[in-house]
Amino acid sequence: EIVMTQSPATLSASPGEGATLSCRASQTISSNLAWYQQKPGQAPRLLIYGASTRATGVPARFSGSGSGTEFTLTINSLQSEDFAVYYCQQYNNWPLTFGGGTKVEIK
Amino acid sequence: EVQLVESGGGLVQPGGSLRLSCAASGFTFSSYSMNWVRQAPGKGLEWVSYISSSSSTIKYADSAKGRFTISRDKAKNSLYLQMNSLRDEDSAVYYCAREYSSSSGKGLDVWGQGTTVTVSS
Repeated sequence: EIVMTQSPATLSASPGEGATLSCRASQTISSNLAWYQQKPGQAPRLLIYGASTRATGVPARFSGSGSGTEFTLTINSLQSEDFAVYYCQQYNNWPLTFGGGTKVEIK
Repeated sequence: EVQLVESGGGLVQPGGSLRLSCAASGFTFSSYSMNWVRQAPGKGLEWVSYISSSSSTIKYADSAKGRFTISRDKAKNSLYLQMNSLRDEDSAVYYCAREYSSSSGKGLDVWGQGTTVTVSS
């Protein structure tokens, strides 16, 4: 099983600031990585797939990068609606696995 | 509107069974692979099971193998998860999720609102 490790567990930032979230895979997964956003009481929302392609309707301030084992989700100029938990997920191998999440909170 | 609506959750004793359903609408259900993903209270996301559009490929997490069965009904535009021999650790919100697939990659692009399963005596 591929283990996905996200860091940091919690990121404190102010509205308008940028945020960089990391995700590491325990073995190479090429670009077979997706990012999700989840707000309290809501289902996850797909943000990024293929490591860097934004899903439909996702604002341009969200960008993904990386390949192999190291991946990054960057949020430029945090908006109030961006404070949430973010998960990475690999789909290179079965079973599909998620990272433990990064909570982006208001500083 | 593209929508997934889960049902069938509830309180069940350890060792019991439940059948979750997921009703799809607003898209051609038979064209998409589907998944079940769960989330224990206060925890992260855990993938549970996958079924391809034609039902020819089925996958399970180790935690579900031998106890859970995924299936789909094209005529009813519905996805199911039969859960047997339930354990305390199966308590979670269960989401059904559609798989989006393109030349650029894949992702779970449509999610239901979730149905809560509580396993407790």
